[in-house]
Amino acid sequence: DIQLTQSPSTLSASVGDRVTVTCRASQYIDIWLAWYQQKPGKAPRLLIHDASRLQSGVPSRFSGRGSGTEFTLTISSLQPDDFAVYYCQQYHSYTWTFGQGTKVEFK
Amino acid sequence: QVQLQESGSRLVKPSETLSLTCTVSESLSSGGYTWRWVRQPPGKGLEWIAYTSHSGRASYNSSLKSRVTISVDRSKRQFSLKLSSVTAADTAVYFCARGPDSGYFDSWGQGILVTVSS
Repeated sequence: DIQLTQSPSTLSASVGDRVTVTCRASQYIDIWLAWYQQKPGKAPRLLIHDASRLQSGVPSRFSGRGSGTEFTLTISSLQPDDFAVYYCQQYHSYTWTFGQGTKVEFK
Repeated sequence: QVQLQESGSRLVKPSETLSLTCTVSESLSSGGYTWRWVRQPPGKGLEWIAYTSHSGRASYNSSLKSRVTISVDRSKRQFSLKLSSVTAADTAVYFCARGPDSGYFDSWGQGILVTVSS
C-alpha cells in the first residue's frame, strides 16, 4: 500500500502567517492527491484535488502544488477559521490512504 | 448539494457484526460517482474502509478485507457496511462519503460514533 507522510505533525502559527504543510508519498502517485480540512466533531472538507485544483467554494488563500511523490498545501494568509487539522489523501489506485494529519494551532 | 446520512447501531458487542447504512439524497447512479466508507478512531487519523460503484463493484482496505462487506441498494438510495468480529479497536466515528470513480472524497456524511463494548 502507498504510505503518506505529512510534516510537520503540529504547526503553531498566527493570523496572517503563510503556512505550508508537506505530504510525501512512498511511491509515485502522479498528481492524484487531495487535501482536506477537518475541525473537531466535523467531517473532513475537501479543499484541493488533483494536487492543485481548488474545490468549488474554497477560498483562494489555499493552494496546492506538487507531483510524483512530494506535495505541499499552502495557506497564504492564515485566518481564524483555518485553525484545524489538515490531511492529504492519495488516489493513485483503487485503494485510498490518508496522511496522519497536521494540526495547525494558534501560536 | 448532495446529502449523506449515516445510521445504524451505535453500540456493538465484541465479536459481533457492526452494521451501518448511508442514505443519499440523490440517485446512486447519477454523475458517475462512487461511494465509500471511512473511519476515524477517537483522537486519531482517517482510514479508508471500503468502496463501491453504483453497480456493486467493490474494493476493500487490505487490512480489513477479511471482515468487511459493502453493498448497494439503488432503489432506496442507500449503501451499507458490515464489519464482522469487531473488537475495541473498531471503535470509531464512521463516515460515508462520495467521490469520482477512482478519486477523492467530495461529499461526506456527518459521521456516526460506533462503540465496541460489552
